[in-house]
Amino acid sequence: DAGVIQSPRHEVTEMGQEVTLRCKPISGHDYLFWYRQTMMRGLELLIYFNNNVPIDDSGMPEDRFSAKMPNASFSTLKIQPSEPRDSAVYFCASSLVSSGVAYNEQFFGPGTRLTVL
Amino acid sequence: LAKTTQPISMDSYEGQEVNITCSHNNIATNDYITWYQQFPSQGPRFIIQGYKTKVTNEVASLFIPADRKSSTLSLPRVSLSDTAVYYCLVGAHNTDKLIFGTGTRLQVFP
Repeated sequence: DAGVIQSPRHEVTEMGQEVTLRCKPISGHDYLFWYRQTMMRGLELLIYFNNNVPIDDSGMPEDRFSAKMPNASFSTLKIQPSEPRDSAVYFCASSLVSSGVAYNEQFFGPGTRLTVL
Repeated sequence: LAKTTQPISMDSYEGQEVNITCSHNNIATNDYITWYQQFPSQGPRFIIQGYKTKVTNEVASLFIPADRKSSTLSLPRVSLSDTAVYYCLVGAHNTDKLIFGTGTRLQVFP
């Protein structure tokens, strides 16, 4: 398996522009998570899905952030409009709760480094 | 989700054993203890998980005392490539999400 795939790996945009981050989870996994990591705030959970349904979006910082999972193999995280304080590394992770090495083992993608100028 | 406390940073030298202790005084009966490792510019990676006593795999050992209020991740004979941030997490097996704290930044020197 190729693991969790994220695109793009790097994104540089200007303030006010729309940004879309993409994630392909591991095939067969039923949970998908979006995280954001910064030096100041560490690794924060933004939102997660179970069987394509959003379960908890309490970590989404503002209405400018939205996430969708139209099918089991694809999810997007959109920021519109983007602001400089959104600059961070965004990780996608997936898991299959009932299997794996251990309970709740999450498999992370390589991340998307977003820079908003 | 139980709160965890671990040292912000640790230094070691190649070939030494490193022990990182995590405190979780409010751990619940159904909670498991899980450790993740994050290398620079990568996402976190699962290392080991345990409920009580000792767990060992090819990467590390996890020691959990009887009261389960703390746990120790042990890395035998570290190398430069073990330089990473190590996160201790506590949660029940039926908990969907993980809450990452600040982690312990381990720096291994030659």
